[in-house]
Amino acid sequence: QSVLTQPPSVSGAPGQRVTISCTGSSSNIGAGYDVHWYQQLPGTAPKLLIYGNSNRPSGVPDRFSGSKSGTSASLAITGLQAEDEADYYCQSYDSSLSEVFGGGTKLTVL
Amino acid sequence: QITLKESGPTLVKPTQTLTLTCTFSGFSLSTSGVGVGWIRQPPGKALEWLALIYWNDDKRYSPSLKSRLTITKDTSKNQVVLTMTNMDPVDTATYYCAHIIITMVRGVIINNWFDPWGQGTLVTVSS
Repeated sequence: QSVLTQPPSVSGAPGQRVTISCTGSSSNIGAGYDVHWYQQLPGTAPKLLIYGNSNRPSGVPDRFSGSKSGTSASLAITGLQAEDEADYYCQSYDSSLSEVFGGGTKLTVL
Repeated sequence: QITLKESGPTLVKPTQTLTLTCTFSGFSLSTSGVGVGWIRQPPGKALEWLALIYWNDDKRYSPSLKSRLTITKDTSKNQVVLTMTNMDPVDTATYYCAHIIITMVRGVIINNWFDPWGQGTLVTVSS
């Protein structure tokens, strides 16, 4: 059971918009700690997608965006493409457990 | 360009101690504001943070695994070593090391994120 809760799976057709939620608590996201997102393509290492709640590293398309409110955060992907099919993980800091990851969400492009 | 690579045994027996080495380039662990972390991922499962070490030798461990983990750094060799004692089949996983980016406020570390990651190394625990 992960400290940060993500839906196990989401799906969308090419061109559509999907969102992935990451729900925490008052000891992590709700305490003001930033949320970061990673994309893991099949058979590869995770790659940083969003840092500091809403910032994109150089090279990440602006189709990817992040937001945070209260004890939750969200990753939005617009203009869905087949290459976006991957697992997505959120990460934050928990005042009792240090670094924590979400359980991961598998994105399927229909 | 920052790169990291994990190395170590691919197979360990139950009760043995696992020693993994992360060899990196493109940064120095003697530079203020730098860190290296270890994360693992059992087959088909989620990421789990294990440990991290900062440039100032500050070390943090996952509370659930703290008694079994030790992280050290060798700045001259650009390496970070993670040891995990009393290995069990449930510890079978791909182990990743990653460069840590830190934000600080008034000298206090308030956020870490991992970028980039090494390719990972699969460790199987079996007799």
